[in-house]
Amino acid sequence: DAKTTQPTSMDCAEGRAANLPCNHSTISGNEYVYWYRQIHSQGPQYIIHGLKNNETNEMASLIITEDRKSSTLILPHATLRDTAVYYCIVRQTGANNLFFGTGTRLTVIP
Amino acid sequence: ETGVTQSPTHLIKTRGQQVTLRCSSQSGHNTVSWYQQALGQGPQFIFQYYREEENGRGNFPPRFSGLQFPNYSSELNVNALELDDSALYLCASSVDQETQYFGPGTRLLVL
Repeated sequence: DAKTTQPTSMDCAEGRAANLPCNHSTISGNEYVYWYRQIHSQGPQYIIHGLKNNETNEMASLIITEDRKSSTLILPHATLRDTAVYYCIVRQTGANNLFFGTGTRLTVIP
Repeated sequence: ETGVTQSPTHLIKTRGQQVTLRCSSQSGHNTVSWYQQALGQGPQFIFQYYREEENGRGNFPPRFSGLQFPNYSSELNVNALELDDSALYLCASSVDQETQYFGPGTRLLVL
């Protein structure tokens, strides 16, 4: 069963920050928030994950609210190559599977 | 360090045939998970192999089976192919059950 809710689609202007929201109101204390993206017909690409603290890497930042019921993935300067479907996934540490919902289709506009 | 690789990239089979898909895990990874992605949908978990044993299975019939070898590479076998088996088959590798890294997938078309 889906544990996350994401908008179906979003647009972002090239060079601007893309902020992708995700609701996970039933998240448990030992569940992490993972983000993957999938560019058309390719395998999903891992972006970032976090438990309760905000995280940043070379690809993106992950902001998790204090109550952990929602999060936002931030791509600081979107490029055309960031056009993809972005999946927010809640996963228990040690769980063997990832449940992919329908994701958010992000379109970066020139 | 090489990432996850899968072969073949594309495959066409007819209904009732059998197919074997292959996956080489990323260097240092000991766990392989397989997913099926139908057109327009998110990937769905088929099963996972850890240390050559099945370690969890999704809602797929027994005609979907797998193997993991001592070098941690893996095979997905599907018997008695059905039209609905047409999909992108994805393999992901990880260290134990931690972050999964995906390969490019094998696109299977069943006619």
